[in-house]
Amino acid sequence: GQNIDQPTEMTATEGAIVQINCTYQTSGFNGLFWYQQHAGEAPTFLSYNVLDGLEEKGRFSSFLSRSKGYSYLLLKELQMKDSASYLCAVRDMNSGGYQKVTFGTGTKLQVIP
Amino acid sequence: KAGVTQTPRYLIKTRGQQVTLSCSPISGHRSVSWYQQTPGQGLQFLFEYFSETQRNKGNFPGRFSGRQFSNSRSEMNVSTLELGDSALYLCASSRTQETQYFGPGTRLLVL
Repeated sequence: GQNIDQPTEMTATEGAIVQINCTYQTSGFNGLFWYQQHAGEAPTFLSYNVLDGLEEKGRFSSFLSRSKGYSYLLLKELQMKDSASYLCAVRDMNSGGYQKVTFGTGTKLQVIP
Repeated sequence: KAGVTQTPRYLIKTRGQQVTLSCSPISGHRSVSWYQQTPGQGLQFLFEYFSETQRNKGNFPGRFSGRQFSNSRSEMNVSTLELGDSALYLCASSRTQETQYFGPGTRLLVL
């Protein structure tokens, strides 16, 4: 099984930087995803990490440490439209040899002026 | 290229009824996964289909079932609906291991 932990809520100021952490426990790890989900909408893909290190994509960066079971999503130059839930998801191998993606409960980020 | 489509978008049913939801993946995507999302539980994995075969299944009762057709379109069925089945049901398709693309979801309300 898997256990994925991320903070329930965070608040940050427009223009600032915020880091959303995610810790996980799993066997057969094979990738970690970050998704953004605005209220009432479907999740949209932000990033994918399978190797240790930092992946940068515009204002968003994601970091992974497999040995520590730890990832974070870094959002720079925050904008009001970044107010959303951010979901951490881990893919691992099930007993049948097939891969399965499990989501954390999400971090609701509120950006304030 | 068209995205993942789900029908219907909204649905109201009463307890004891059954419901069938449909998902059309992005063209060329052979993997379709289904999730249930509720405020308290977040996104919960239901099952995944690939080339008409169920490859993986989450911890849901047998009332939840699904299938995939030769054109990769997928359906999920929930029989004997309960109030707790009220949720947003999301379908996601993928071609590679690196990402999933979600549809807009079907919001089911059970009265």
